[in-house]
Amino acid sequence: EPEVTQTPSHQVTQMGQEVILRCVPISNHLYFYWYRQILGQKVEFLVSFYNNEISEKSEIFDDQFSVERPDGSNFTLKIRSTKLEDSAMYFCASSDWGFEKLFFGSGTQLSVL
Amino acid sequence: GDSVTQMEGPVTLSEEAFLTINCTYTATGYPSLFWYVQYPGEGLQLLLKATKADDKGSNKGFEATYRKETTSFHLEKGSVQVSDSAVYFCALSEGAQKLVFGQGTRLTINP
Repeated sequence: EPEVTQTPSHQVTQMGQEVILRCVPISNHLYFYWYRQILGQKVEFLVSFYNNEISEKSEIFDDQFSVERPDGSNFTLKIRSTKLEDSAMYFCASSDWGFEKLFFGSGTQLSVL
Repeated sequence: GDSVTQMEGPVTLSEEAFLTINCTYTATGYPSLFWYVQYPGEGLQLLLKATKADDKGSNKGFEATYRKETTSFHLEKGSVQVSDSAVYFCALSEGAQKLVFGQGTRLTINP
């Protein structure tokens, strides 16, 4: 079965550094998402992306965050200057149409020291 | 705003026990409701869904009924197996390009 692939599985960075989290969505999917889960808290929506532009974003997704689909296969989340509170598990997801059935990757655990 | 509340975990059961994981929601309109499951080392995957009141979603022996009057979508299974050990997430969507999740309930089934 096709799957969403995320790399790396773990990322450790220093506060203030830039990080890029990478995702390869399922190849024929059109909608792409990032969610995150801070330890012990709920899974939170960050951003959705369709037709090469952001279609919706949450309050969390401020100017420090950006997303990009640099080629036909990758979907990236960049955090420009990481803060301690950005430490979380970041999940990428994709779907072939809308929100009805999302396919999630296994996540990238980001630790900001 | 919209929110989802799940029963606190972790939940530990013996094989063949009956399972209920409670989920209630708050929404302004008529959301679609979902259960996602995350097995160890894997991503979340859709387990079942219901899109309108009184609909029952089912998959792999799991069931959940959309109860508008009690704003609930409890997950049930009549006889759990060790392979059902996972984290279960209740979620809703009101048609926007996002899901609102509960906090997840970790389920462990002992042989």
